[in-house]
Amino acid sequence: DAKTTQPPSMDCAEGRAANLPCNHSTISGNEYVYWYRQIHSQGPQYIIHGLKNNETNEMASLIITEDRKSSTLILPHATLRDTAVYYCIVSLGYGNKLVFGAGTILRVKS
Amino acid sequence: ETGVTQTPRHLVMGMTNKKSLKCEQHLGHNAMYWYKQSAKKPLELMFVYNFKEQTENNSVPSRFSPECPNSSHLFLHLHTLQPEDSALYLCASSTNMGGIHSPLHFGNGTRLTVT
Repeated sequence: DAKTTQPPSMDCAEGRAANLPCNHSTISGNEYVYWYRQIHSQGPQYIIHGLKNNETNEMASLIITEDRKSSTLILPHATLRDTAVYYCIVSLGYGNKLVFGAGTILRVKS
Repeated sequence: ETGVTQTPRHLVMGMTNKKSLKCEQHLGHNAMYWYKQSAKKPLELMFVYNFKEQTENNSVPSRFSPECPNSSHLFLHLHTLQPEDSALYLCASSTNMGGIHSPLHFGNGTRLTVT
């Protein structure tokens, strides 16, 4: 599975959009980009995933560059409850061997 | 409520004890997983079960023994653990559709302390 690179931490003002970047320059053609988050003292929570096209759901939007070497997770209106560690993972989806890295600590501040 | 319930939430055990962690999923999934999350380390995949059959053992020491009696229940039996086994143990589930898996749903974990 391809590896990912994320900034260790980011701050965001409450009510503003949070844009979390992820680099995955070695991604292969059939690998998906997944995003999960982990709020303190809880298990990871699935957010969104995509292959080539941009995706949006009730939680977030995922923007994948045309060359698929990087992506951005967008939380359109961050709240204090969005403070968490955000994990960007690249995986085939077969066997679901998700490999979690260190992620990005997002701190939403009022 | 995530649909994946883990008990107990906290467990303190001595190195000579035997205990079990329990996971139950109410999502109709057919694949279940154990992950370990140590302090300051990323999540590590331990075991994977597909349709009650173990399909992945990520070089886990034999003092950890998983059991999957049916698609809804998963256990992790613990014996003669070491202090370095203290960690958050997370259970997850997904649907395996011909090898393609739905995203994982995680429980909130069992915080294990080995004294």
